[in-house]
Amino acid sequence: NAGVMQNPRHLVRRRGQEARLRCSPMKGHSHVYWYRQLPEEGLKFMVYLQKENIIDESGMPKERFSAEFPKEGPSILRIQQVVRGDSAAYFCASSLDRGLLGANVLTFGAGSRLTVL
Amino acid sequence: AQTVTQSQPEMSVQEAETVTLSCTYDTSENNYYLFWYKQPPSRQMILVIRQEAYKQQNATENRFSVNFQKAAKSFSLKISDSQLGDTAMYFCAFMRAPGETSGSRLTFGEGTQLTVNP
Repeated sequence: NAGVMQNPRHLVRRRGQEARLRCSPMKGHSHVYWYRQLPEEGLKFMVYLQKENIIDESGMPKERFSAEFPKEGPSILRIQQVVRGDSAAYFCASSLDRGLLGANVLTFGAGSRLTVL
Repeated sequence: AQTVTQSQPEMSVQEAETVTLSCTYDTSENNYYLFWYKQPPSRQMILVIRQEAYKQQNATENRFSVNFQKAAKSFSLKISDSQLGDTAMYFCAFMRAPGETSGSRLTFGEGTQLTVNP
């Protein structure tokens, strides 16, 4: 079981470019969560997705940010026209289901560190 | 909305000693879960321990234990026999009872940087 795989681990972009971060959940997991960690801060929720559906995007900035989790392939977090303030570590986590019978532990990936020059 | 507060930005402890990290939270929910995650320099988020709010017994995982005070909304982490490998950022986190729109969403505190000194 390979766990949650994120790539790239490190990404450098110039202002105005696009950044694409990918997340493959654990095998059998159908729920994906994206979190952002700014320097010296905790993780902040961005978006919660299931296959082909965005369930909760209340933590996503209204502009330039989008996320998807297609039927086939990894979840993608896309940041258009990046600015220096987007520099952060972006973590993906996955879970088995919404866990009505109990809390599901989120399994986190190792994160993608975005640096905007 | 739920909030999680960790009032100790940094702490240090000598190897083999015991240290307690504090966490308080605010919620109107009655059914929820609390977690401590560890983030070492590798930045990987690692689950340390989990507590269900409906359980009165405090959770324990080897050298890690919690003091869960539901009425006070307090959830502290005690690390016994501290080891050098315990040096990390520790995050307290809150999860509502999973539901249709919240799933297993976590709300994190700002973290406490723990340094274990030899």
